[in-house]
Amino acid sequence: EVQLVESGGGLVQPGGSLRLSCAASGFMFSSYSMNWVRQAPGKGLEWVSYISSSSSGIYYADSVKGRFTISRDNAKNSLDLQMNSLRDEDTAVYYCAREDITRIEHWGQGTLVTVSS
Amino acid sequence: EIVLTQSPGTLSLSPGERATLSCRASQSVSSSYLAWYQQKPGQAPRLLIYGASSRATGIPDRFSGSGSGTDFTLTISRLEPEDFAVYYCQQYGSSPRWTFGQGTKVEIK
Repeated sequence: EVQLVESGGGLVQPGGSLRLSCAASGFMFSSYSMNWVRQAPGKGLEWVSYISSSSSGIYYADSVKGRFTISRDNAKNSLDLQMNSLRDEDTAVYYCAREDITRIEHWGQGTLVTVSS
Repeated sequence: EIVLTQSPGTLSLSPGERATLSCRASQSVSSSYLAWYQQKPGQAPRLLIYGASSRATGIPDRFSGSGSGTDFTLTISRLEPEDFAVYYCQQYGSSPRWTFGQGTKVEIK
């Protein structure tokens, strides 16, 4: 069974940093591209970042470019998102998501990040 | 950048009724790259339809997708109590990687 388990969310002040992690199991992690998708409270889904299976391809949404860094460790089956210079508008549930070519079939349960003073 | 616009924003229907949800793209989208998701409160999204019309594993056949070019539709033939949720269309692209519509809420009338 595919499992994606996020951790690392919490309350952080504006301008602060936070590192999210996603532990993957139940599939060959090194064969799949991965994404982070977020959802602000009461709002829709917003794609945040993508990383290819070998880390050779990395993309970011304009809203986080220069502040967030995605990375992965295929030996540890883990995906990370380093978030710096956090803003109020970064408050959201952050989902780890496995990319299946043109769709996302597997999502984590999400981890809540709250940016507030 | 392709923008996906979903309508209506909210659909108020009774169990057993038919639901028709629309997703319109600002420019032509390959059918292969259009998907639909269902999301219930406090849960992650669940893939329903991919490639515009293919049902994902385990999805009941009351859910169907259709469309091409800029106009896509998700139809729920007979609403079951568990179908009341928010539905999102999604497009796979290059930049940004994934684009979502703003969602349609299907609520109990």
